[in-house]
Amino acid sequence: KQEVTQIPAALSVPEGENLVLNCSFTDSAIYNLQWFRQDPGKGLTSLLLIQSSQREQTSGRLNASLDKSSGRSTLYIAASQPGDSATYLCAVRRWRDDKIIFGKGTRLHILP
Amino acid sequence: DAGVTQSPTHLIKTRGQQVTLRCSPKSGHDTVSWYQQALGQGPQFIFQYYEEEERQRGNFPDRFSGHQFPNYSSELNVNALLLGDSALYLCASSPRTGITEAFFGQGTRLTVV
Repeated sequence: KQEVTQIPAALSVPEGENLVLNCSFTDSAIYNLQWFRQDPGKGLTSLLLIQSSQREQTSGRLNASLDKSSGRSTLYIAASQPGDSATYLCAVRRWRDDKIIFGKGTRLHILP
Repeated sequence: DAGVTQSPTHLIKTRGQQVTLRCSPKSGHDTVSWYQQALGQGPQFIFQYYEEEERQRGNFPDRFSGHQFPNYSSELNVNALLLGDSALYLCASSPRTGITEAFFGQGTRLTVV
């Protein structure tokens, strides 16, 4: 059974700090891993997609890494801003049945 | 490209009623999946449609059913609504091959009273 765990569940940091969100998954047979952002009451916005053969992806101030052998991914946010406040979800697309399995997310609050 | 569109955005229903939610996939995508997201939880997989058939199903009762039309759009139907069905329902679309990115709609917020 594929499980996805995100640590921490919630995080508050002052504006300007660099931060790391963690994601772990139990089954390494995945197509890819995606990081999403979700604002309160809203849908999901895809931030970064890492294919199973890749090690990392970058977009602006965001960098995501993938270590499939250890079942871990991190999302690094540089120079955090109040507008980064949201819930960040990690999801893996399982190879054997094409299901996307989500973690419960990390609620991030950037203090002005 | 309008991306994935869902309707309605919000819905209030009474226990025991039936509801239909709709999803139009991103242009060029033929696979549609539905997810339920309860408050404070990650989305949970309900089912996936491809070639107008249900291909995969998560751990949801038969009260949850769906349909895919020839234009790849999809419906999610929930019968005999329970208070616990209150959630954000998300639709995702992707091409058939699994190595590409899944795109999500903005969701339908269902409240059962």
